Amino acid sequence: QQQVKQSPQSLIVQKGGISIINCAYENTAFDYFPWYQQFPGKGPALLIAIRPDVSEKKEGRFTISFNKSAKQFSLHIMDSQPGDSATYFCAATNTGNQFYFGTGTSLTVIP
Amino acid sequence: DTAVSQTPKYLVTQMGNDKSIKCEQNLGHDTMYWYKQDSKKFLKIMFSYNNKELIINETVPNRFSPKSPDKAHLNLHINSLELGDSAVYFCASSQGQGRWQYFGPGTRLTVT
Repeated sequence: QQQVKQSPQSLIVQKGGISIINCAYENTAFDYFPWYQQFPGKGPALLIAIRPDVSEKKEGRFTISFNKSAKQFSLHIMDSQPGDSATYFCAATNTGNQFYFGTGTSLTVIP
Repeated sequence: DTAVSQTPKYLVTQMGNDKSIKCEQNLGHDTMYWYKQDSKKFLKIMFSYNNKELIINETVPNRFSPKSPDKAHLNLHINSLELGDSAVYFCASSQGQGRWQYFGPGTRLTVT
């Protein structure tokens, strides 16, 4: 049973465009929602994270939008660059030590 | 300085063998994890140790046994390797449980 559902599986965006990746969860006990970025041959690296008491968090070109009532959250990458091409994972966790990753989104930014 | 390191980076072995993967973190974190990433890039947590105590033990065959000699090290031993064990194994660490996790570079295990 997939605890965190992520879409799309793959995404192709033109340079300068906006990349949007969506995630949904069911377990309302989750209280921390990180996003990870993984380049080929590397381990995932934390990109940005949000707690459910905040509806939006922005760090540079990366923004998380969080909709608690819908149990959905999304990553927006503004002004996407070829260097952003990577696999992105959303995740959800809680203090009960449950930790689940989404299935990943392969992002390709075309120059 | 590498924050989370794993050895070896690549491991090719035959079915039925026993192998170990080592992980070390120099971040002073109290929690360490093992993840398995399959060919479709799906990441699944296997184990979590907090202060050398096993916290998470997901549904993993008992051929997999983690060992934490101290807070900075978490090793993974795999007995009787099977073809389905082929994957990339990542070690990670965090201060506290489940939060900001730092991942190692991964160990690509290939079982032939």
